[in-house]
Amino acid sequence: QKEVEQDPGPLSVPEGAIVSLNCTYSNSAFQYFMWYRQYSRKGPELLMYTYSSGNKEDGRFTAQVDKSSKYISLFIRDSQPSDSATYLCAMSATGTASKLTFGTGTRLQVTL
Amino acid sequence: ETGVTQTPRHLVMGMTNKKSLKCEQHLGHNAMYWYKQSAKKPLELMFVYSLEERVENNSVPSRFSPECPNSSHLFLHLHTLQPEDSALYLCASSQDAGRNTIYFGEGSWLTVV
Repeated sequence: QKEVEQDPGPLSVPEGAIVSLNCTYSNSAFQYFMWYRQYSRKGPELLMYTYSSGNKEDGRFTAQVDKSSKYISLFIRDSQPSDSATYLCAMSATGTASKLTFGTGTRLQVTL
Repeated sequence: ETGVTQTPRHLVMGMTNKKSLKCEQHLGHNAMYWYKQSAKKPLELMFVYSLEERVENNSVPSRFSPECPNSSHLFLHLHTLQPEDSALYLCASSQDAGRNTIYFGEGSWLTVV
C-alpha cells in the first residue's frame, strides 16, 4: 500500500464548477499537509499549507484535513480554465522538507 | 526573476556523456534540494544540502553527483546515465532544513538516449 494515494485523473470539469481533489494516507503521524499546483512543464508551486485537522481558506481555495479518516481535500470554487494543472498533495510527520511524502498528482482540466 | 532558477530547461544526452544541471536560488535560503519527477510517480527526494553540507542522500546511484559550492548554488553532475533516468529534475530551496515549505524551480527536462 502506498503511503499517500491520489487519483491521477484526469478530472475534467466545466468552468464555474466546484472541484474536489483528494488524498488518502496511511501514516497516522502525518500532521503537516500541503497542496502544490504544477502547470504543464513547470515546477510545483505551494498553494495551501495546513497543520493538523480543520479547514483553511484562501480565496477560491479551501483545504480540509480529516485526520480521523486520514483524508485531505482541496476544494476549488468557481473553477477557471487557468486552474487547469496537476495538483500534488504532500504531507509529513515532522516540520522538515526532507520528510515530505508526495502524492502522484491529479490532473485537472477546466473547460470553457 | 523567479526565486529558484534552473538551467538548462531541456537537455538531451547520450549514455556516455557528462553534463551538469545548475540551480540558483535568490531567496536567501540555507537549504537546497534535488528531486526527480517521473511520470505517474511521486516526487523522489534525491539530495538535501544545508549550509552547503550534504545532509541527506537517498540511495541515489553514483552516476548522479551533487555539488553545493555555496548556499545559493546547487549542481547535479550527470555521468553515464541510463534511459530510465529520463525525467524532470527539480531543484528546491527552503529557509532552512528544518522547514517543510519548499520552493521549487521550473525544472530541467532530461532525456537520455
